[in-house]
Amino acid sequence: EAGVTQFPSHSVIEKGQTVTLRCDPISGHDNLYWYRRVMGKEIKFLLHFVKESKQDESGMPNNRFLAERTGGTYSTLKVQPAELEDSGVYFCASSQGGFGNTIYFGEGSWLTVV
Amino acid sequence: LAKTTQPISMDSYEGQEVNITCSHNNIATNDYITWYQQFPSQGPRFIIQGYKTKVTNEVASLFIPADRKSSTLSLPRVSLSDTAVYYCLVGVLMNRDDKIIFGKGTRLHILP
Repeated sequence: EAGVTQFPSHSVIEKGQTVTLRCDPISGHDNLYWYRRVMGKEIKFLLHFVKESKQDESGMPNNRFLAERTGGTYSTLKVQPAELEDSGVYFCASSQGGFGNTIYFGEGSWLTVV
Repeated sequence: LAKTTQPISMDSYEGQEVNITCSHNNIATNDYITWYQQFPSQGPRFIIQGYKTKVTNEVASLFIPADRKSSTLSLPRVSLSDTAVYYCLVGVLMNRDDKIIFGKGTRLHILP
């Protein structure tokens, strides 16, 4: 069974440009999460989808970040315009739901803004 | 969500058993305890999850005392490849209400 996949694995963009990160959750998983770790910091929650609905987006840093999950399948996270402090690794995770369910993480998308 | 406290770092030697303890004094009745492992440049990887007593899988064991205010991840006979950051997480992880909150984790360094 395929795990959570993320694309691109690495991206280097200039300040002011736009980047779109994609996440394909494990098939059948209704829950999809985005997390981020910037250099030297802890992994921070960004937002949580249940199917196509945003259940919790309390961790989104500002309005330069836009996450979508059309049709409740894959999700995209767009950063526009990117700033230097957006550099870090963005993790996507998915889970099936229910008590004690396991959340599976992707390998991350490494973003460098120069 | 219950806050967790775990050692910042630990060193051990190959072939040893490593025990990493996590404190979660405010754990709620419905909370599960989950441990993740993360290697550099990779996403967190699920290791083990439990609710009470002891859970064992092919990778590790998880010991949870009756009061559930702490838990201990036990890695038998570690190798160099077990060098990683280990996160203890507590939560219900229900469909709509919960999310994982990461702490600093424990940086485990295995020495030859």
